[in-house]
Amino acid sequence: DAGVTQSPTHLIKTRGQHVTLRCSPISGHKSVSWYQQVLGQGPQFIFQYYEKEERGRGNFPDRFSARQFPNYSSELNVNALLLGDSALYLCASSLVLGPYTDTQYFGPGTRLTVL
Amino acid sequence: GQQLNQSPQSMFIQEGEDVSMNCTSSSIFNTWLWYKQDPGEGPVLLIALYKAGELTSNGRLTAQFGITRKDSFLNISASIPSDVGIYFCAVFTGNQFYFGTGTSLTVIP
Repeated sequence: DAGVTQSPTHLIKTRGQHVTLRCSPISGHKSVSWYQQVLGQGPQFIFQYYEKEERGRGNFPDRFSARQFPNYSSELNVNALLLGDSALYLCASSLVLGPYTDTQYFGPGTRLTVL
Repeated sequence: GQQLNQSPQSMFIQEGEDVSMNCTSSSIFNTWLWYKQDPGEGPVLLIALYKAGELTSNGRLTAQFGITRKDSFLNISASIPSDVGIYFCAVFTGNQFYFGTGTSLTVIP
């Protein structure tokens, strides 16, 4: 079975532009979470979606938004890019909400560079 | 956000040695998790802990959930070269996960 897939693998943008990152969860998984990982740090939680509804939001500005589609895939959108948005963006999927009966599986990430 | 402090920040050890790392917080959590991240990949869950005092093993890895619920420890026995990577602790608050700062492990053959 395929794991969590993310696209694109790498992306270069300039300040002020907009970016859309995509994630396909493991088949059957209904929850998708997004994380930002700046070099040398641990992943920082951005959003969690379950059954197409936002269930959790981290401490990120409104320039960050996301959505989950009926097939449970998800998009992360970032507007008005800043240099500080350069990071590895990770998507994780899980079968249900919360960690008790399942674990979250991470994709390989999208490396975003803002120039 | 929640602060999870991991120590040491980095470790250089000889193959075959045992490794210990820990993670502390000023807040109480009911779920502690340990992940490993290889370069260019997403983190992979190693061990999940759900009960204070719990000791759980996964092969050569053993993790403990501290009695105070403010800390956790990860031990790796008889290290091998493929243990190289960054180890993260994480906690779950009910609606989101928080990750620690990471411990970078280098194993010298």
